[in-house]
Amino acid sequence: GNSVTQMEGPVTLSEEAFLTINCTYTATGYPSLFWYVQYPGEGLQLLLKATKADDKGSNKGFEATYRKETTSFHLEKGSVQVSDSAVYFCALLGMIKAAGNKLTFGGGTRVLVKP
Amino acid sequence: NAGVTQTPKFQVLKTGQSMTLQCAQDMNHNSMYWYRQDPGMGLRLIYYSASEGTTDKGEVPNGYNVSRLNKREFSLRLESAAPSQTSVYFCASRGQWAANQNEYFGPGTRLTVT
Repeated sequence: GNSVTQMEGPVTLSEEAFLTINCTYTATGYPSLFWYVQYPGEGLQLLLKATKADDKGSNKGFEATYRKETTSFHLEKGSVQVSDSAVYFCALLGMIKAAGNKLTFGGGTRVLVKP
Repeated sequence: NAGVTQTPKFQVLKTGQSMTLQCAQDMNHNSMYWYRQDPGMGLRLIYYSASEGTTDKGEVPNGYNVSRLNKREFSLRLESAAPSQTSVYFCASRGQWAANQNEYFGPGTRLTVT
């Protein structure tokens, strides 16, 4: 079956530091890949996505590139802000584009940015 | 366009009590989902509904029932609450087509069972 593995947190860093959160996956074929962010007390919201190999998703200064050869979708941001403190989830959606197709989530990585 | 709404936001139950969590979406999505999120853990799928009139079990369905009332609404019922069901519950919905694979989440219901 499908699975997603992401680095465990918490990740603590200073403002303006570089952030990387590793995500690797196991799936057959070419799944779509997502990063969701959850701010304190809120639900998850889509941060970025990539639907095919070598695609780069980007939003709010975050980027992730779909690497088929390493089955990875690492999240990066060059200069984090305190407002980026949140829990980040990597997820995949399998190839079968059925309506009942379900997202598979990683365990989440908590990021804390200190001023 | 409110997206995905959930009620209530907070609830405290005693062991053995029942309650229904409500979820509605106004995006005309076919698929709807119920997840639970426990401290230090990711999301676990409880039940989902691929389309109006169908429901299926997810990873952790025991102790829960669901109803897809119509295309907009998908409710989750706890018939006899247990402390192990203390969690934050999220409802989500997703469109049918490949161009709209994003899953949209509600704000969550924080449930405590004493």
